[in-house]
Amino acid sequence: NAGVMQNPRHLVRRRGQEARLRCSPMKGHSHVYWYRQLPEEGLKFMVYLQKENIIDESGMPKERFSAEFPKEGPSILRIQQVVRGDSAAYFCASSPLGTANNEKLFFGSGTQLSVL
Amino acid sequence: SQQGEEDPQALSIQEGENATMNCSYKTSINNLQWYRQNSGRGLVHLILIRSNEREKHSGRLRVTLDTSKKSSSLLITASRAADTASYFCATDDSGYSTLTFGKGTMLLVSP
Repeated sequence: NAGVMQNPRHLVRRRGQEARLRCSPMKGHSHVYWYRQLPEEGLKFMVYLQKENIIDESGMPKERFSAEFPKEGPSILRIQQVVRGDSAAYFCASSPLGTANNEKLFFGSGTQLSVL
Repeated sequence: SQQGEEDPQALSIQEGENATMNCSYKTSINNLQWYRQNSGRGLVHLILIRSNEREKHSGRLRVTLDTSKKSSSLLITASRAADTASYFCATDDSGYSTLTFGKGTMLLVSP
């Protein structure tokens, strides 16, 4: 049973370009969470999705950021017109029934986004 | 907003010693979880303690929870160099649907 798969592992973009980060949750997991981590910082919640639905996007900037988890395929975190401040490690996590059911999260290895 | 706050920020010990990390939080919770992160990697779940539990053990790990003080501690006994990592507490806040993480404690275990 493969773990949470994130790609790419490293992504370099120039200011103004778009960044697309992909996350395939563990098999059987329908709950996906995206977090951002800056150096020497903890993880900041961005968005929580279930298949085809955004459950909670309270941690995601209103501008330039969007997320989806389609019926088929991976979850995508999209950042449009990237700026240097978007440089960070982005982690995806999944769980079978969601953390509201006292479940733990399974994390991917993250995507390190660098904006030049 | 930051819910859990770990203390200390960094801890350096020798192999064989015990390591204790603390976590404080602000609101009522359903459960509190501890995770470990090796440099450049994703987080790995260590242990979950529910709000109605006071202590839990898993191998060399011991977690306590004091809901009256809104605090938890993680004890790693007989530490090894391989325990070197950052350790984060995370709370499942009542009424919220996500885990909120602290800034972590960086543990360095020297051989």
